[in-house]
Amino acid sequence: DGGITQSPKYLFRKEGQNVTLSCEQNLNHDAMYWYRQDPGQGLRLIYYSQIVNDFQKGDIAEGYSVSREKKESFPLTVTSAQKNPTAFYLCASTQANTIYFGEGSWLTVV
Amino acid sequence: KQEVTQIPAALSVPEGENLVLNCSFTDSAIYNLQWFRQDPGKGLTSLLLIQSSQREQTSGRLNASLDKSSGRSTLYIAASQPGDSATYLCAVYSGGGADGLTFGKGTHLIIQP
Repeated sequence: DGGITQSPKYLFRKEGQNVTLSCEQNLNHDAMYWYRQDPGQGLRLIYYSQIVNDFQKGDIAEGYSVSREKKESFPLTVTSAQKNPTAFYLCASTQANTIYFGEGSWLTVV
Repeated sequence: KQEVTQIPAALSVPEGENLVLNCSFTDSAIYNLQWFRQDPGKGLTSLLLIQSSQREQTSGRLNASLDKSSGRSTLYIAASQPGDSATYLCAVYSGGGADGLTFGKGTHLIIQP
């Protein structure tokens, strides 16, 4: 089945660590996105990529980094510079007017 | 900057009732509006997409309307069932690329058996 796969589902980060969240899609979509969702809040855009080897900052890019070396992959690194990283992270891709989401990854700082 | 507001933030109704969820947006210059369902700890599933030129879209027991000039959309759920319990989010696309998509905070819906 076509879709977006995020891993891991749950991740714990120690203070000062960088962690990477994986996002893979087999939908052959050009555009991919990373959103952050905090409890009771809407989604906020972290980074997006319209095409391979190109990506743009969203509203809350500070403390995050991404790469887009392959069309199907858009990993997100949460760096130690992100002071409040505990949240639910959603990866998405779009084709025409339709956006598809992965199942999300929970990141907790311990 | 576009702002999207969803009212109420939470709603609890008995099974079988018809209900309406509201979404309002501040800038009426939108390309489309989309309603999503989110189950606890899960990603978002698209329910209905309304283009700016359309007034409504229907899928099964769901009907979404759009009044672009007044900046409002409603999601009507007929004959609610416990399986409808979830958070419902609306999002508007205002153009300008990927950052033109703005989400509301959602309505947390509980259908009591």
